[in-house]
Amino acid sequence: GQQLNQSPQSMFIQEGEDVSMNCTSSSIFNTWLWYKQDPGEGPVLLIALYKAGELTSNGRLTAQFGITRKDSFLNISASIPSDVGIYFCAGQPGVGGTASKLTFGTGTRLQVTL
Amino acid sequence: DAGVIQSPRHEVTEMGQEVTLRCKPISGHNSLFWYRQTMMRGLELLIYFNNNVPIDDSGMPEDRFSAKMPNASFSTLKIQPSEPRDSAVYFCASSAGTRFEYFGPGTRLTVL
Repeated sequence: GQQLNQSPQSMFIQEGEDVSMNCTSSSIFNTWLWYKQDPGEGPVLLIALYKAGELTSNGRLTAQFGITRKDSFLNISASIPSDVGIYFCAGQPGVGGTASKLTFGTGTRLQVTL
Repeated sequence: DAGVIQSPRHEVTEMGQEVTLRCKPISGHNSLFWYRQTMMRGLELLIYFNNNVPIDDSGMPEDRFSAKMPNASFSTLKIQPSEPRDSAVYFCASSAGTRFEYFGPGTRLTVL
């Protein structure tokens, strides 16, 4: 099935640094989501975006819904060791209240060194 | 509130055996999703239900896989017979008709 392309695939950063990652698609999505997965756990929703151009923050995390609706970006400011994990973007074509399939990105593995 | 509950958390079985994975969605959620995660293919949607009815099973790899949702609080994913290439982490997720899917902790399946 289709997957969204995420970059970078992995990154090593030092504690305190800012992190940027992005997600691109050949298809338009009307909803973009960002999840984080810790080892041995399921993905946990971080941020949801519903409008093209929308910028939404959740603590040190900020995500943007690209104007073209084909991309999204996630920034983490002042990283800390617990930010370690795999970050997934996900796109959903649907709008409204019914469930529709999410398409997941390939993931960005983040490792933070002290 | 309890999240999505999956059992077992780990399953080791031999090739050819039947495997049944179980999921209890979050109470009040009307959509349920089964995903498979592997290093090679990432997160793949296998099937999803809306109000207990299978809506899209196009991701089910082959006839050896089947899923049921007999009521709003329970779903199973069955593999019969299992093969080593089925080894993966299987996630169940549920949503309440919004655009969020809440994932369970997963079942790590190893087929020897």
